[in-house]
Amino acid sequence: ILNVEQSPQSLHVQEGDSTNFTCSFPSSNFYALHWYRWETAKSPEALFVMTLNGDEKKKGRISATLNTKEGYSYLYIKGSQPEDSATYLCAHLGGANNLFFGTGTRLTVIP
Amino acid sequence: DSGVTQTPKHLITATGQRVTLRCSPRSGDLSVYWYQQSLDQGLQFLIQYYNGEERAKGNILERFSAQQFPDLHSELNLSSLELGDSALYFCASSANPSTDTQYFGPGTRLTVL
Repeated sequence: ILNVEQSPQSLHVQEGDSTNFTCSFPSSNFYALHWYRWETAKSPEALFVMTLNGDEKKKGRISATLNTKEGYSYLYIKGSQPEDSATYLCAHLGGANNLFFGTGTRLTVIP
Repeated sequence: DSGVTQTPKHLITATGQRVTLRCSPRSGDLSVYWYQQSLDQGLQFLIQYYNGEERAKGNILERFSAQQFPDLHSELNLSSLELGDSALYFCASSANPSTDTQYFGPGTRLTVL
């Protein structure tokens, strides 16, 4: 993996369903992996910064895991609510302090 | 409200012109980052400053330049503007570079006609 890739590109789930999506990144030269939540017409809002292999972080119904050896991170949302509808971005910090963003997963939660 | 402010909110200008976008970081944050989000593209990292010095450079065109002042606010200068420069420009700040959470401002929407 040379770039940051996120899948799926978009996702529709029913209210109450749990869901997850993936961020893949270069496993070499790893410093940190960021997750952001970006609502339409707003600015990206930080969810997590993860630095250690095996790290798991949680914020309410949202959690994330990190595997730096294989270069992926999962974001989980438990019991999705309509207010969870947003684009979820991940960003990889490699060398040179550049933060490379994926194109995001657009989540729509249907009431 | 992230605590990062950006002005102006919207800017409409013509090709060939020069504009300056301004960013004030959160109180106490030493690092400032600039990003560009064009239509149908993700966030592109442009440049980072830490305590007044350039720290990292991304996909920033030569027509663009930035600086961070002693009071830590930053300006992004865009010159010889082209239609393709129309985008949303975000500024973000963090306490320390690298691994710290970045807090994003509301963005400046630039339209080049």
